[in-house]
Amino acid sequence: DTAVSQTPKYLVTQMGNDKSIKCEQNLGHDTMYWYKQDSKKFLKIMFSYNNKELIINETVPNRFSPKSPDKAHLNLHINSLELGDSAVYFCASSPAGQKNTEAFFGQGTRLTVV
Amino acid sequence: GDSVTQMEGPVTLSEEAFLTINCTYTATGYPSLFWYVQYPGEGLQLLLKATKADDKGSNKGFEATYRKETTSFHLEKGSVQVSDSAVYFCALNTNAGKSTFGDGTTLTVKP
Repeated sequence: DTAVSQTPKYLVTQMGNDKSIKCEQNLGHDTMYWYKQDSKKFLKIMFSYNNKELIINETVPNRFSPKSPDKAHLNLHINSLELGDSAVYFCASSPAGQKNTEAFFGQGTRLTVV
Repeated sequence: GDSVTQMEGPVTLSEEAFLTINCTYTATGYPSLFWYVQYPGEGLQLLLKATKADDKGSNKGFEATYRKETTSFHLEKGSVQVSDSAVYFCALNTNAGKSTFGDGTTLTVKP
């Protein structure tokens, strides 16, 4: 059983389109995250949700909107896609407020905007 | 704010060479420290961790010691293999549960 699963694994789309990436975790964690990894492998946090509530919202364009229907799911919707949105997007989860426990990452979604 | 500074890459080594990837941190309080590894085409996964000063984390031949006096958590391996080629991330967690990652170091091991 995959602990953190995200779909799709690859996404190729044209500029201006709207797309969604889905994420689900079966670890019972309260906190979920979206990270963006660029071509230089830098990892940047975008959003963090704790039990369906937004707790971290870094400087991310309004075109990106996370949605958490329940604590096991955190989806990412992107409007009006731009070339610069091309990256690998990772979903992750961790137990809330437990500093000794690592985050668990999904396999990533490679988004290519053409 | 909290920060993690990693040795810049890329690092290229021959098989069986000794590996060190430096990591230093700045944080309030007493964070937990982690090394994650990202193999090509995959997500990050935990390699090892240390939750208090002087703890040593170890896994798959890799080691790192939590040094509070130098605020460091350097990753070492005595003899690297081609299969160790990956991107390595140093990270910390604070008492509030917030994670901060370094910029990653790409390691390539040649036969």
